[in-house]
Amino acid sequence: EPEVTQTPSHQVTQMGQEVILRCVPISNHLYFYWYRQILGQKVEFLVSFYNNEISEKSEIFDDQFSVERPDGSNFTLKIRSTKLEDSAMYFCASSPGGTANEKLFFGSGTQLSVL
Amino acid sequence: DAKTTQPTSMDCAEGRAANLPCNHSTISGNEYVYWYRQIHSQGPQYIIHGLKNNETNEMASLIITEDRKSSTLILPHATLRDTAVYYCIGFRGAQKLVFGQGTRLTINP
Repeated sequence: EPEVTQTPSHQVTQMGQEVILRCVPISNHLYFYWYRQILGQKVEFLVSFYNNEISEKSEIFDDQFSVERPDGSNFTLKIRSTKLEDSAMYFCASSPGGTANEKLFFGSGTQLSVL
Repeated sequence: DAKTTQPTSMDCAEGRAANLPCNHSTISGNEYVYWYRQIHSQGPQYIIHGLKNNETNEMASLIITEDRKSSTLILPHATLRDTAVYYCIGFRGAQKLVFGQGTRLTINP
């Protein structure tokens, strides 16, 4: 089965530094998502992206966050100035066409640790 | 999106069928019932989904009541590798998938 690939698997950074988390969605998918999960908590929606623009974002996704699809294959999440509370597992997901009758495919995640 | 209610935790013996209930009394007519699971800290994994009819695939069966207010996910022969958090989610597409707390299923040897 095709996979969503995320790199790196672990990222350690200092507070205030910028980080970029990378994802390669499944090649013919059109909808892309970022979710995060703080240790011991629920999986939380951050943002969805379609047709080269954000289609929906949560309250968590403030001005410190941005997403980009720089080429035809990568989908990135940038955190401009990391805070301690940004430490979490970040999951990328993609779906073929965003309809109700199709599943989301999730990557294995990037564990971000902000020190 | 429909609010779903699931038991916090369940146990099941290895080799037995695991039946995970979900209440979704506010589900709308165009919302599908989806089940995902998360094994340890891995990415959520799709299991099965349905709208009105019961569904079966290689992983599980989904039984949806006629009034669509509740459903049951059935893992027919649970193995230790099925230990995970299972999420029941109402989804209309083209919008965010909202995860609740789910049911922590423990398969015991």
